[in-house]
Amino acid sequence: EPEVTQTPSHQVTQMGQEVILRCVPISNHLYFYWYRQILGQKVEFLVSFYNNEISEKSEIFDDQFSVERPDGSNFTLKIRSTKLEDSAMYFCASSGAGGLYNEQFFGPGTRLTVL
Amino acid sequence: AQSVTQLDSQVPVFEEAPVELRCNYSSSVSVYLFWYVQYPNQGLQLLLKYLSGSTLVKGINGFEAEFNKSQTSFHLRKPSVHISDTAEYFCAVIETGANNLFFGTGTRLTVIP
Repeated sequence: EPEVTQTPSHQVTQMGQEVILRCVPISNHLYFYWYRQILGQKVEFLVSFYNNEISEKSEIFDDQFSVERPDGSNFTLKIRSTKLEDSAMYFCASSGAGGLYNEQFFGPGTRLTVL
Repeated sequence: AQSVTQLDSQVPVFEEAPVELRCNYSSSVSVYLFWYVQYPNQGLQLLLKYLSGSTLVKGINGFEAEFNKSQTSFHLRKPSVHISDTAEYFCAVIETGANNLFFGTGTRLTVIP
């Protein structure tokens, strides 16, 4: 069964450093998303991506964040200068044609720890 | 503004007993409703969704949920739980015209042998 994969599973970084979180969505999917979950809090939407551009982003997704689909398979989230409050579990998701109301398939997450 | 409330952060229940996990939402527009499950060290998996039609929705693993528009609720139920149902359960909505899932804080279901 096709699945969304994410690497690494756990990333530890120093405050101020850049991190890139990687995701491989399901191969024939067209819509891509990033969510995050700070420990003990709810899962929060960050950004959605369709047709090689951001289709929607939340207030959390400020200038420190960027997304890219560098090739036909990867979907990345970059945080330019990490802050302590960026520590969270980051989930990638993808969905197929019919997009918004089709099932979003989630990856297992990357736990980011900023020291 | 939308909100999703899962009042019960933890629900312990004995094996083979029934369970109901509560979800209430508020929104100024119509919404689509979802329940996701997260098993330990895994991603979120869709249990079921309500888009339109019958208000009683059946999902995977014997779960079902009922959309109640007047009470703005979408409670998840299972008549008889198994140990393997131990997980975190998230209720979520998408507002019509929106592009993202809005999640509740989750309910941890622990099934006791």
